[in-house]
Amino acid sequence: QVQLQESGPGLVKPSETLSLTCFVSGYSISNGYYWGWIRQPPGKGLEWLGSILHSGDTYYNPSLMSRGSLSVDTSKNQFSLNLRSVTAADTAVYYCARRGYVASSESWGWFDPWGQGTLVTVSS
Amino acid sequence: AIQLTQSPSSLSASVGDRVTITCRASQGINRALAWYRQKAGRPPKVLIYDASILESGVPSRFSGSGSGTDFTLTISNLQPEDFATYYCQHFLNYPYTFGQGTKLEIK
Repeated sequence: QVQLQESGPGLVKPSETLSLTCFVSGYSISNGYYWGWIRQPPGKGLEWLGSILHSGDTYYNPSLMSRGSLSVDTSKNQFSLNLRSVTAADTAVYYCARRGYVASSESWGWFDPWGQGTLVTVSS
Repeated sequence: AIQLTQSPSSLSASVGDRVTITCRASQGINRALAWYRQKAGRPPKVLIYDASILESGVPSRFSGSGSGTDFTLTISNLQPEDFATYYCQHFLNYPYTFGQGTKLEIK
C-alpha cells in the first residue's frame, strides 16, 4: 500500500523560503509515476503546484511565478518542494500525492493517493 | 489555463437522495476529468477519472459522465459519509486546475 507523508515547518516568516518534503513508503519512486504537490488555503479550493518524475523531469504551475522548485531524492524515496519569497497568501495545507496512471488506456493526470497534508502558516 | 466551474456551489440533500453536480470547462478537455470527495479535515480522494471510470474500491452509487466541456457527477442513494465537498480536476494539459468545489450538506 502506497503511503505519503509530508514534513516541514508549520510556520514560515514572510519573504523566507518554505521547504517541505514528502516521504513515500510502499513504493519505490525510481519505479516511475509522477509525484506532485497540491495546496489548499484554509476554507478554500485546491491548487496544483507542480509535479516531478524520478529522473528530475518537472512541471510547474505558472502561478508560482518561478518561486517554486521541486527536487527528488531516490535514495531516500522522497521528493521536496521549495517555495521562495513567501507571503501570507502562501498560507495553506500542502499535500503531496502520486499522479495516477493507467497503462491499458494510456491515461494519466488525476492524483491518488494523497498524504494527510501539512498546514504551513506564513507569519512574522 | 483551463478554468473549471462547478455548480451548484452548495446543495442540501437527505440520506437516500440522488444528487448531481456539474463541472464546465472553459475549453474542451475531451474526457480528461477526475472527481474527488473531500471530507472535513481529510485529503481529497479520487472517485472517478477519465470522466466516467470508477476508481477501484469506490462504491457504485457514484457515476460520472460527459466529454468536451460539460461533465456531471451523480451520487445515488446518498450515505452519511457522502456529505462532504466535491471537486473536479482536469488533466488535459499543464497547469492542472480544479473546480471551486461543491459542498454537499445534510438537509
